[in-house]
Amino acid sequence: NAGVMQNPRHLVRRRGQEARLRCSPMKGHSHVYWYRQLPEEGLKFMVYLQKENIIDESGMPKERFSAEFPKEGPSILRIQQVVRGDSAAYFCASSPSGGSSTDTQYFGPGTRLTVL
Amino acid sequence: AQSVTQLDSHVSVSEGTPVLLRCNYSSSYSPSLFWYVQHPNKGLQLLLKYTSAATLVKGINGFEAEFKKSETSFHLTKPSAHMSDAAEYFCVVIPRGYQKVTFGTGTKLQVIP
Repeated sequence: NAGVMQNPRHLVRRRGQEARLRCSPMKGHSHVYWYRQLPEEGLKFMVYLQKENIIDESGMPKERFSAEFPKEGPSILRIQQVVRGDSAAYFCASSPSGGSSTDTQYFGPGTRLTVL
Repeated sequence: AQSVTQLDSHVSVSEGTPVLLRCNYSSSYSPSLFWYVQHPNKGLQLLLKYTSAATLVKGINGFEAEFKKSETSFHLTKPSAHMSDAAEYFCVVIPRGYQKVTFGTGTKLQVIP
């Protein structure tokens, strides 16, 4: 059973370009979470999605950031017009259906975004 | 609202000596508590979790943690440190009935040979 997969593992973009980060949850998991880890900081919650629904996006910056989890395919975190401050590691996690607080979230290896 | 405080940003121990990583939390509702480990440039791996069963929780690689409601603490311990334990450790709280996760700021563990 493959774990949470994220790609690309490393992404380099120039200021003003778009970044697309992909996350494939574990088999059987229908809940996906995105986190951002800035250098020397802990992880910050960004958004929580179920298939075709955004459940909680309270951690998402108001502009340039969006996320989706379509019926088919991976979850996508999209950052438009990237700036240097967007450079960070972005982690995706998934949990089984139910969304209980006791469910363990399983993390992917992360995508390290560097904005030049 | 919930919060997590990891009291030490860096901990250094000698190989073979005990490890103590401290975590205090606050939560409006009875929480679930987790410890994750992150090795350099890697993702996060679950060490252990507390979800209202036994207050002493055993995890992988010899780690354990004790939930103390009166002290609002969930400290992580290991009797004998190994070089491979050098990593960053995150304490995580999720309030009961909800899935919003709050991470502590992390504790970097250094193990000296």
